[in-house]
Order: sequence, then C-alpha cells, then structure tokens
Amino acid sequence: SQKIEQNSEALNIQEGKTATLTCNYTNYSPAYLQWYRQDPGRGPVFLLLIRENEKEKRKERLKVTFDTTLKQSLFHITASQPADSATYLCALDPPSSASKIIFGSGTRLSIRP
Amino acid sequence: DADVTQTPRNRITKTGKRIMLECSQTKGHDRMYWYRQDPGLGLRLIYYSFDVKDINKGEISDGYSVSRQAQAKFSLSLESAIPNQTALYFCATSPPGTYNEQFFGPGTRLTVL
Repeated sequence: SQKIEQNSEALNIQEGKTATLTCNYTNYSPAYLQWYRQDPGRGPVFLLLIRENEKEKRKERLKVTFDTTLKQSLFHITASQPADSATYLCALDPPSSASKIIFGSGTRLSIRP
Repeated sequence: DADVTQTPRNRITKTGKRIMLECSQTKGHDRMYWYRQDPGLGLRLIYYSFDVKDINKGEISDGYSVSRQAQAKFSLSLESAIPNQTALYFCATSPPGTYNEQFFGPGTRLTVL
C-alpha cells in the first residue's frame, strides 16, 4: 500500500531563513500531491497542489517541487516568519483512489524570532 | 460564517455510550468525508460520501456509522464508544473534479472514559 513519510516530527529554524519540509512516498507515483497547513486545535487548510507533470509550483512565499524519480516533494517557505509556525501535512491520491486522498502525519514547524 | 461547521466542538463521554457528531456545510460540495486524527498517525479516513445516496467505508470504519441526511449534512455515529476512539474528528468537503482538495471543519475533540 502507499506510504507517506514526512521528515522529522519537528523542525526549528530562525526567522528569515528558508524552511524546507520533505514528503516521501513509496510504491506508485501519484497523479498529484497536496500540502496543507494545520494550526493547533484547528482543521487543516489547503495550501497548494502540484501535478505529476509539474516540477515546481509557487504561491507567494511558498514553493513546492515534485520529483517523481526520487518519489519526493519538497515544500519551501522563504523569508520565514513566526506566523508560519504550524504543522504542515502532505497528501496524495492512492491507487484507485475513487476521490480519496491519504495524508502524511505532518511536520511541526517552529520559526523562532 | 464558517463554510464547514461541526457540533459539538468538545465531548466527553463514557464507554458504551452512543455518540453522534454532526457536520454541516454551506460550500455546496457533494463530497463529504469524516477523518480522525491521532498524534503521530496523521489523518485517517473513516467514511466518505459522494452524494446523499452514496456511502463508502474508509480505512478505519469499524465501530463507526454515518448518515448523509442531505447534501449539506453528514453525521458520524459511534454506536458504543470505547476509549481508543478518543481522538480529534474532522469533517471535510471536496468540490467536484480531479484533485480532491479538502476543506475541513474545525474539529470535534472526543474523549471516551
């Protein structure tokens, strides 16, 4: 079955630096991959989607890459701010998804001033 | 106003009790989902529904049942709650189309004693 692994449970970086989060998957290659942000006690919020034929996607300070050879997506936040502190989840479509997606367990990002 | 609402937001109950969690949405989406979230395990799909007459089991449906009363309403029931059903429960909706972006409610924190 498809497995998703997100690097380290927690990542701490200095304000202003670029935060890079990793999402690795096994087995087949998904048609797309999604990234969500989740704040404590709240539901996840959809951020970005990248399709299998796209290498890179940008939205303001966010950048997502998708490497189907490495079976990996990288999520970057440039010029990070304390307000970016949250848990970030990646998600992808499993085989025969029938309109479902599966989620990784997330990486908790902390940006220190 | 929130597009996806869940009631109650918090619930403490005892083993063996029947519990219903409710979800309503004003997004006009046909697809609705119930997930549970446990620390370190990420979001896991319990049930999903593509329209009023369509109900499908997810990854962890044992011990749960659902009802799709209308396009806008999707309820999750625990027929006889047990302590390992203590978790954060999220309802989500998704627009029609290929990419299944999920729009989540605020969550219900359920504790079974």
